[in-house]
Amino acid sequence: NAGVTQTPKFRVLKTGQSMTLLCAQDMNHEYMYWYRQDPGMGLRLIHYSVGEGTTAKGEVPDGYNVSRLKKQNFLLGLESAAPSQTSVYFCASSTGNTIYFGEGSWLTVV
Amino acid sequence: AQSVSQHNHHVILSEAASLELGCNYSYGGTVNLFWYVQYPGQHLQLLLKYFSGDPLVKGIKGFEAEFIKSKFSFNLRKPSVQWSDTAEYFCAVIKGNNNDMRFGAGTRLTVKP
Repeated sequence: NAGVTQTPKFRVLKTGQSMTLLCAQDMNHEYMYWYRQDPGMGLRLIHYSVGEGTTAKGEVPDGYNVSRLKKQNFLLGLESAAPSQTSVYFCASSTGNTIYFGEGSWLTVV
Repeated sequence: AQSVSQHNHHVILSEAASLELGCNYSYGGTVNLFWYVQYPGQHLQLLLKYFSGDPLVKGIKGFEAEFIKSKFSFNLRKPSVQWSDTAEYFCAVIKGNNNDMRFGAGTRLTVKP
């Protein structure tokens, strides 16, 4: 049972490049989330999904897009990366009352 | 405005000292409350959670938290900290049935041996 798996774990991008972070969960959870963690800011919710085919904006959605085509996967896309998007990204999934986190993806935009 | 407030940014204690980390939230109505711990270089792990019932919640590793509805608070406590408790601690809140979990900015705890 892998839980919540994020790929890639590390990535360096040039400003303007695009990329997709993949989150996969094998617990059949309905809810999935993408957070970014920055020093002194805690975790801030980017987007979330309450079920396959649905997504919703969180606190800091600008510059990101998401898709939930399959229940087990939640993709986070950066269409045109900016240095301000340098961060650690955490995916999570939930039964509705307890959230399980992935191990994080370190993204640096230069 | 921050929806979940953790007042202490960095707390430094000696081993065996008692710990209390503050958490306040600004939502009315029903909330579900959580404390997570993040050890250096690792992902977040659940320490404890409160949904209903006894407002004093016991979690793993000797941690507990008390929900005080009138104060909109959910403070984390441990009677005697250990060096291995050095980590960052996050309070989190889910508003009602929203499924939108918001986190505080975190409190870094350093325990000196």
